[in-house]
Parts: sequence; C-alpha cells; structure tokens
Amino acid sequence: KNQVEQSPQSLIILEGKNCTLQCNYTVSPFSNLRWYKQDTGRGPVSLTIMTFSENTKSNGRYTATLDADTKQSSLHITASQLSDSASYICVVSRGSTLGRLYFGRGTQLTVWP
Amino acid sequence: DAGVIQSPRHEVTEMGQEVTLRCKPISGHDYLFWYRQTMMRGLELLIYFNNNVPIDDSGMPEDRFSAKMPNASFSTLKIQPSEPRDSAVYFCASSWGTPDTGELFFGEGSRLTVL
Repeated sequence: KNQVEQSPQSLIILEGKNCTLQCNYTVSPFSNLRWYKQDTGRGPVSLTIMTFSENTKSNGRYTATLDADTKQSSLHITASQLSDSASYICVVSRGSTLGRLYFGRGTQLTVWP
Repeated sequence: DAGVIQSPRHEVTEMGQEVTLRCKPISGHDYLFWYRQTMMRGLELLIYFNNNVPIDDSGMPEDRFSAKMPNASFSTLKIQPSEPRDSAVYFCASSWGTPDTGELFFGEGSRLTVL
C-alpha cells in the first residue's frame, strides 16, 4: 500500500532553535519527494523537490535529505523563526501513475518566542 | 502572475443546497487539480484535468460531486446536494507538466461549512 507517514505529528520549539521533521514512505515506484509549508488558512507552498539521485537539497534555512534506500526523508530547519510556525507536508510522487501524489498528514510546528 | 485564484474563500450553506467552487489556474499551466483537506484525512485528490480533459476522477467521493473545466483558464467543482460531511477546505492547484516533473502551485483554498 502506498503511504506517507510523518513524525512527529506536532512539535513546539523556541525561536532560534533547530528542528528536524521526519517522513517515511512506501510509495513505489518512486519518482520524487517534496516538502510543502502550509501556513494557517493558506494553501501549501513548495519548499523543495528531490528526485531519486538527490540526497540533499537546501532552500535558505530549510534543508531536506532523502535516503531512497530506506525510503526516508527529513526536513531540517535551522535557527527557527516565528514565521516558521506552520504545517509541513511531505508529498511523494509515484512514477507510474501520472498525477498521483501521496500526501503525509503533516507536522504542525509551533515556534515560541 | 497572480497565482492560482479560488473563489469563494469562505462558504457557509445549509444541507441540501448546491455549492459551486471556482478556480482560475496559472496561465500556461496544462494540469489542474482539485483537492480536499480535512483534519482527519489530510489532503486528498478529488480529480485532475490535463488540457481541460478530466483524467482521473477516482477521488470524487460521490455522484453529488462534479467538476468541469470548460477552458484553460477556468474550472468549477460543484456539490449538489451538499451534506455536513462535505465541510472541508477545497484546494485547486495547477502545474506545467505532470506532477512527476512539474511544480504544483496551490490556491488559497475555499473553506466550506455545511450546516
């Protein structure tokens, strides 16, 4: 069964601290993996997209890693800011089914001052 | 570009009423998607179009749901009759190229409440 599991479900950190969010997937065959940020009341916005051959990609203070062998990805946020408070959603694309993306339930991150 | 535009942003209606949600994709994008987001199930694909043609509607929950894309710049998602369990945020998204390769851009969503 094609699934995407994220952990933790929610996380609270203090401003300035680092954190890491996890994503495990069973989607096969794998095409690419994306991380989205969704602010409250807004639509998801893409942070990174990684293909099979990429094992790390950065976007400012966000760094995503991918281990295609273990089917795991992580999103590391450095020096967190209040504006990082949002839901972070892991999305995996299945290569053989056009248009089919598999979404995780998201990790709700809250950054406190 | 203004991005994906959805309307209305909020809709409150009574059970049994017809609801129509609207979407204007980013100009030049050839794929359009309708998603539904709930706390319980997260984001779920309802239907998607390629060049205005519906490709996969297997996610449409019931015959009460229908979607159209009469041209490249406009799509609608209709629920008739609406039920309380339809309450959710409905997102429209568009991309150039398939989701395997193209970046997906989401609208701000339409929050539907059915009383």
